[in-house]
Amino acid sequence: DGGITQSPKYLFRKEGQNVTLSCEQNLNHDAMYWYRQDPGQGLRLIYYSQIVNDFQKGDIAEGYSVSREKKESFPLTVTSAQKNPTAFYLCASSPGGRGPRLTEAFFGQGTRLTVV
Amino acid sequence: GNSVTQMEGPVTLSEEAFLTINCTYTATGYPSLFWYVQYPGEGLQLLLKATKADDKGSNKGFEATYRKETTSFHLEKGSVQVSDSAVYFCALGTGGGNKLTFGTGTQLKVEL
Repeated sequence: DGGITQSPKYLFRKEGQNVTLSCEQNLNHDAMYWYRQDPGQGLRLIYYSQIVNDFQKGDIAEGYSVSREKKESFPLTVTSAQKNPTAFYLCASSPGGRGPRLTEAFFGQGTRLTVV
Repeated sequence: GNSVTQMEGPVTLSEEAFLTINCTYTATGYPSLFWYVQYPGEGLQLLLKATKADDKGSNKGFEATYRKETTSFHLEKGSVQVSDSAVYFCALGTGGGNKLTFGTGTQLKVEL
């Protein structure tokens, strides 16, 4: 079935460590996104990519890094520079990279990261 | 910039009650509008969408109409069920960056 797969579902990290969250899609979508969700809050955009080998910072990019070497994959690294990394992370994709409007976007099941 | 404003939650209703969750937006250009639903511990599922003014999106008994004159996209359902209990997010998507901008979400609790 087509969709977006995030792994792992739960992740624990020690303070000072980097950790990478995986996001893979088989929808043939050009654009991919990473959002962060904190309890009782909406979603905030971390990074997004409209096309392979290109990505842009979102609203809260500090302490995070991404790569887009393949169309299907958009991994997110949470670095030790991120002061408050404990959150629920959501990956999404949409078909149009640079079109006039975004007509649909689909989400993965999320990764819950906890710093211990 | 773009923004989405949703009514504060939680909204608590009895089963079979009528539901309205208000959503208004500010955007440049002509955005697409979405409602997403999130069940506990899960990702977001697309509930419905509308891509141009006066379009009505509908799914699973939920409806929302894209009102350009009032910049609104209110979510409605005629008779809610306990299984509708979730958090509902209104969002808009625009071109250029093709980014989604979300509201803060509205938690719905439906009781027997």
